[in-house]
Amino acid sequence: DIQMTQSPSTLSASVGDRVTVTCRASQSISSWLAWYQQKPGKAPKLLIYKASSLESGVPSRFSGSGSGTEFTLTISSLQPDDFATYYCQQYNSYPLTFGGGTKVEIK
Amino acid sequence: QVQLQESGPGLVKPSGTLSLTCAVSGGSITSSNWWSWVRQSPGKGLECIGEIYHSGSTNYNPSLKSRVTISVDKSKNQFSLKLSSVTAADTAVYYCARNYFGSGSYLDYWGQGTLVTVSS
Repeated sequence: DIQMTQSPSTLSASVGDRVTVTCRASQSISSWLAWYQQKPGKAPKLLIYKASSLESGVPSRFSGSGSGTEFTLTISSLQPDDFATYYCQQYNSYPLTFGGGTKVEIK
Repeated sequence: QVQLQESGPGLVKPSGTLSLTCAVSGGSITSSNWWSWVRQSPGKGLECIGEIYHSGSTNYNPSLKSRVTISVDKSKNQFSLKLSSVTAADTAVYYCARNYFGSGSYLDYWGQGTLVTVSS
């Protein structure tokens, strides 16, 4: 299985901050990476697919980059609705595997 | 707008079989999408269980393969999960989801999730 490692596990930030989350794959996954946002008691919500493609309806302050084994999710200006946990997921090979999550909390 | 809804017992006894169903609405289970089960537990985070196509083709996570069966019921527009010989480690929130395209894709629609507790 491909291992996905996210950092940091927790991030404290303020509204308006630029926030970056990193995801590393244990082997190359090309650009087959998705990012999800999850709020307590809710299902994950797709934000980005193919490393940098924004899902329809997702605010443009979210962006993704990277290829191979290193990827980033950036929120350009953190909004109150963005405090949540973020997960990366590879779909280069089965089984799909997810990162351990990054919780973005209020500073 | 595709919607998915999980249903099934919230409590299963150890060594028993966990059975869940995912009803799909707003779209057809016979579309070109595959359909997945994912679970989330505090100890192991998000873990994919397996996926199915309406033809009945399946892929399972090797870590669970010996205990998992996923099936599809086209007449009811739903698919199901059975996990046998459960232990406390199988306690988790179980989600059904739609693969955006093909086998082993990202997941664009998710059910709300259902908590299954394994306990006597």
